[in-house]
Amino acid sequence: QKEVEQNSGPLSVPEGAIASLNCTYSDRVSQSFFWYRQYSGKSPELIMSIYSNGDKEDGRFTAQLNKASQYVSLLIRDSQPSDSATYLCAVNVIRGGSNYKLTFGKGTLLTVNP
Amino acid sequence: EAGVAQSPRYKIIEKRQSVAFWCNPISGHATLYWYQQILGQGPKLLIQFQNNGVVDDSQLPKDRFSAERLKGVDSTLKIQPAKLEDSAVYLCASSLNGGGIQETQYFGPGTRLLVL
Repeated sequence: QKEVEQNSGPLSVPEGAIASLNCTYSDRVSQSFFWYRQYSGKSPELIMSIYSNGDKEDGRFTAQLNKASQYVSLLIRDSQPSDSATYLCAVNVIRGGSNYKLTFGKGTLLTVNP
Repeated sequence: EAGVAQSPRYKIIEKRQSVAFWCNPISGHATLYWYQQILGQGPKLLIQFQNNGVVDDSQLPKDRFSAERLKGVDSTLKIQPAKLEDSAVYLCASSLNGGGIQETQYFGPGTRLLVL
């Protein structure tokens, strides 16, 4: 089982709709989770981080974490064409002591159609 | 605040040649990371430095890849000799302290390498 799994998509939604991106992880002791956005040909940029079970909202973005199910998601409300990008889920995996390694999924390609 | 700087932005070489990439992290950031991102994949950590010491290089192909971070600031990643499968984007990232549980990593623009 891969450490971080995402549906590679593409996920296509109409402008104004809610886009739902999902991610599962295998290391049960993982404690911090990140969503990065990566435009084609660009480097990843951080959108959201979440550490506790439940929802965390930031503008049009909501991250949801369920540690019991080892599941983290990102909701984008009122999707805009400018949201079209690859969304990378990243999980901090403990590797001993206080050292962590950020492990990325393959990413989900989101296309928002005008 | 200036971001992570990388050079060159693009590089095309033939297999068996050598190549080097340079990274300058955000000022004051102690931790520096090199990632390899193959097309269609997420970034994969190659090596992590804490100041000028190596924290993790478990996924660095040491027979051909080497990296150093002299004086705990700039870093170089070298490939010698290059193989076709090394074609990828090489991303440098930095974070403030030691890569702790809630620490954010900031990525540079990357170097796109094509090996022919």
